[in-house]
Amino acid sequence: GAVVSQHPSRVICKSGTSVKIECRSLDFQATTMFWYRQFPKKSLMLMATSNEGSKATYEQGVEKDKFLINHASLTLSTLTVTSAHPEDSSFYICSASNPAGGYEQFFGPGTRLTVL
Amino acid sequence: DAKTTQPPSMDCAEGRAANLPCNHSTISGNEYVYWYRQIHSQGPQYIIHGLKNNETNEMASLIITEDRKSSTLILPHATLRDTAVYYCIVTGTASKLTFGTGTRLQVTL
Repeated sequence: GAVVSQHPSRVICKSGTSVKIECRSLDFQATTMFWYRQFPKKSLMLMATSNEGSKATYEQGVEKDKFLINHASLTLSTLTVTSAHPEDSSFYICSASNPAGGYEQFFGPGTRLTVL
Repeated sequence: DAKTTQPPSMDCAEGRAANLPCNHSTISGNEYVYWYRQIHSQGPQYIIHGLKNNETNEMASLIITEDRKSSTLILPHATLRDTAVYYCIVTGTASKLTFGTGTRLQVTL
């Protein structure tokens, strides 16, 4: 099956710093990538959808200037949490899909962010 | 996207079939039924999807009622490793996934 990786798997940072999370599709070209956030004991919430080579589409209530998304290639998307604060601590998960191969999304293992 | 309703939790004995129901009475004609599962602290895993015909793969079977208002995911021989939260999602092709609260399946010895 399709494999999606994320790096890092966990990160701890100080309040006010920026953190970049990478999402890679390892064995397929992902024309669309999605970023989700999951708080403890809650379900996944979609943050944004990014298509390769174009600007991301953010969900209502998600600050685009705080959560910067770049999808510069068909195998890599990055999420940068700028000026992170403790309330940004969460489990961030990406997924990737390629309509040419079917519309199912394949998820990465997630990145646990802890902001002190 | 159509809303789905799932029981919050279910138990299943190891080796037995796990039948997870999902109601999606407002599903429209071009919407698919997708099933994903999430094992604790991992990313969700795609299981199966279907439009109106029953589907089977190496992981599970998906039974969709003729009126498409409900479906059942069947894990034929549940193991302890199948303990997870199972999400039933209805969406059109290339559409975003809206995760509900899912069903927490606990497989026991």
